[in-house]
Amino acid sequence: DTGVSQNPRHKITKRGQNVTFRCDPISEHNRLYWYRQTLGQGPEFLTYFQNEAQLEKSRLLSDRFSAERPKGSFSTLEIQRTEQGDSAMYLCASSLVVGAGANVLTFGAGSRLTVL
Amino acid sequence: AQSVSQHNHHVILSEAASLELGCNYSYGGTVNLFWYVQYPGQHLQLLLKYFSGDPLVKGIKGFEAEFIKSKFSFNLRKPSVQWSDTAEYFCAVNFNYGGSQGNLIFGKGTKLSVKP
Repeated sequence: DTGVSQNPRHKITKRGQNVTFRCDPISEHNRLYWYRQTLGQGPEFLTYFQNEAQLEKSRLLSDRFSAERPKGSFSTLEIQRTEQGDSAMYLCASSLVVGAGANVLTFGAGSRLTVL
Repeated sequence: AQSVSQHNHHVILSEAASLELGCNYSYGGTVNLFWYVQYPGQHLQLLLKYFSGDPLVKGIKGFEAEFIKSKFSFNLRKPSVQWSDTAEYFCAVNFNYGGSQGNLIFGKGTKLSVKP
């Protein structure tokens, strides 16, 4: 399966701890997105990369959140000093965009974070 | 700010009933429109998309959607639902600025329950 892969699938942590999620996009895709989804809500945009450049960040992405895509391939999302309000499903998606062409996101299964 | 509205939070239908899920967006410029589906325990999957051309688009599993620009709407329809259509449905919009496509904004989703 050459879809979008996310690890770990589920992380349980205590408040105040740091957590890191990893996303491996579809190999030929140049864009990589992070979203957060809580119960009863649609996915909320956090940030996206085109190759290794982080092009946009949401106001939802507080100083405790940092995302990287150092070589333009996989990406990591780190949350420092976790809070109970960070409990959510963190979704990664990737797409291939050429010029002004179509941008169709393919999503991974997500990483569920539970902060105790 | 751009937004996407889905009018129904939970829809309950019997098998063979017709389905229409509403979706409206706030931006008056060029948009790309999507419906994603999330079956229980599975990740988000693309159901159908509209970029240009015929405003009536057909997707997988007998779903279709109609883009009505004057109403800023992209409603999802299916003439006869099946129990296997039980899922959560998300409308999403990519707002284009001068040919640049940024992030995808999602509605809050509509949960569809189909009774056998």
